[in-house]
Amino acid sequence: EAGVVQSPRYKIIEKKQPVAFWCNPISGHNTLYWYRQNLGQGPELLIRYENEEAVDDSQLPKDRFSAERLKGVDSTLKIQPAELGDSAVYLCASSPPWDSHEQFFGPGTRLTVL
Amino acid sequence: GQSLEQPSEVTAVEGAIVQINCTYQTSGFYGLSWYQQHDGGAPTFLSYNALDGLEETGRFSSFLSRSDSYGYLLLQELQMKDSASYFCAVKAASGGSYIPTFGRGTSLIVHP
Repeated sequence: EAGVVQSPRYKIIEKKQPVAFWCNPISGHNTLYWYRQNLGQGPELLIRYENEEAVDDSQLPKDRFSAERLKGVDSTLKIQPAELGDSAVYLCASSPPWDSHEQFFGPGTRLTVL
Repeated sequence: GQSLEQPSEVTAVEGAIVQINCTYQTSGFYGLSWYQQHDGGAPTFLSYNALDGLEETGRFSSFLSRSDSYGYLLLQELQMKDSASYFCAVKAASGGSYIPTFGRGTSLIVHP
């Protein structure tokens, strides 16, 4: 069974530029999470989807961050414009409907903003 | 809000037993999870406790005391490959939904 797929793995951009991250969860997993992980810290939840509905986005900085999961499968997280402080690893995770406390994480996208 | 406390670093020798503690403050507590993350890798799920007591999975065990808002991860027969960061995470209710919140992580260093 394929795991959670994320792309790109690495991204380097200059501040004020836009950037987008893509995530394909494990087949059959209806819950999808986006996290941000700073160096030496734990993952911080940005947004959680149940199918195509964003059920918790209270920690998403909505002035510059947006996310979508149009068909309840793949998801995209966008930052526009990026700031220096956005440099971090962006992790996507998914979980099945029968076991929501076990999350399966993708390899992440390491973003560097110069 | 929610907060979790865990030691920043723990060191041990190969073959030993090590315990990583986690204390939390939260309302609407559902359960406590543990994840392992190697440098540059993705977090991987280790265990989940919703009820008080000990859950054992091979060399790893996890304990929860809801009344003390406390849990720990116990690693036995340590191997070099166990060197990694370990995160506790609480699942807690928030406004009709729930938010998973991770601790800052404990770096485990296993020496030969």
